[in-house]
Amino acid sequence: GAGVSQSPSNKVTEKGKDVELRCDPISGHTALYWYRQSLGQGLEFLIYFQGNSAPDKSGLPSDRFSAERTGGSVSTLTIQRTQQEDSAVYLCASSLASLSADTQYFGPGTRLTVL
Amino acid sequence: AQSVAQPEDQVNVAEGNPLTVKCTYSVSGNPYLFWYVQYPNRGLQFLLKYITGDNLVKGSYGFEAEFNKSQTSFHLKKPSALVSDSALYFCAVKKDKIIFGKGTRLHILP
Repeated sequence: GAGVSQSPSNKVTEKGKDVELRCDPISGHTALYWYRQSLGQGLEFLIYFQGNSAPDKSGLPSDRFSAERTGGSVSTLTIQRTQQEDSAVYLCASSLASLSADTQYFGPGTRLTVL
Repeated sequence: AQSVAQPEDQVNVAEGNPLTVKCTYSVSGNPYLFWYVQYPNRGLQFLLKYITGDNLVKGSYGFEAEFNKSQTSFHLKKPSALVSDSALYFCAVKKDKIIFGKGTRLHILP
């Protein structure tokens, strides 16, 4: 079946602009995660959604970052007034559920470059 | 607070030799432990996980990992390395939430 997809694959923007990154999880997966991968920094947790529960936003680095998940499926990560330090690869993952040892399946990522 | 450490930024191994990528963790109770691999220009792929039971876990591509509770380690191993194993490897621990290590870049030298 189809895996996790993300769009766009690459995004170049100017400092101060807003960007939206999209994630389509695997069908039937109730848990969805966003991570940021910076060079030499590993994976930084940003936010996760589990079903209809309130999302865990504890990893969002500033109030310029927000995310929503519509209808329990597609998710959009929005970064407002982008800064150069926002440049990174943004990864989305989904799993059957988050309250277990379920495996996370990752998308290919969106590479964001802020000029 | 839970944490995971991968003490080596890079590991170099000659093809055909055994390889080990180290991972240690700090968490109360019994965690779930994972290894993921990231090949160049590709997303992370699941390799293996430990939930409970046998301390030696076998995964994809001939990799295995040994859970050592007393040493709080979950090192990734493979008996004979291939050049195609060259990639970035991430260890992760999950209790309340999942936390990933910073990654170890594995270079297999032909």
